[in-house]
Amino acid sequence: GDSVTQMEGPVTLSEEAFLTINCTYTATGYPSLFWYVQYPGEGLQLLLKATKADDKGSNKGFEATYRKETTSFHLEKGSVQVSDSAVYFCALILNTGTASKLTFGTGTRLQVTL
Amino acid sequence: GAVVSQHPSWVICKSGTSVKIECRSLDFQATTMFWYRQFPKQSLMLMATSNEGSKATYEQGVEKDKFLINHASLTLSTLTVTSAHPEDSSFYICSASNSLTYEQYFGPGTRLTVT
Repeated sequence: GDSVTQMEGPVTLSEEAFLTINCTYTATGYPSLFWYVQYPGEGLQLLLKATKADDKGSNKGFEATYRKETTSFHLEKGSVQVSDSAVYFCALILNTGTASKLTFGTGTRLQVTL
Repeated sequence: GAVVSQHPSWVICKSGTSVKIECRSLDFQATTMFWYRQFPKQSLMLMATSNEGSKATYEQGVEKDKFLINHASLTLSTLTVTSAHPEDSSFYICSASNSLTYEQYFGPGTRLTVT
């Protein structure tokens, strides 16, 4: 079946450090890929997405590139801030022309310290 | 735009009682909504897919008689946890799929504590 694998956390970084959170996927079809962020006590917010190979999603300084050859969608940010501390979920969806369910990774907790 | 609300945001109930959680799409129509459950420090587990005007589709292992889902309109789905027990305590999150674009938007979640 379809699945998403994320690096285990927590990831602890100092402010202004470079961030990478790895995400790889397996899918029977040609998925769209997403990164969601969850701040403490809140629901999920869409951070960025990519719908086809070589697409780069970006938002708030975060970027991820859809790599079909490596089935990956790694999240990066050049300089993290304390306010980026949250849990980040990689996800995929098939059949984006319909209301299909998302498949999530296990989430990676990011802690940014001063 | 694209706001999904959940009510209540948190609820405490006694064991054996039932609790209803509402999920509303405020500025778009959602033929399909999804209900997730999240345990502390864990990922989201899809419980069921809710379709307006028809029966919900439950994921394997989810008791449909315990977690009743009703999707009576294009903007509202409800999840009722019947005869709640402490092990039902969790964070419940819904998402709504825009009927036109199929983009999914998440609600802020409802924290249920059963004592």
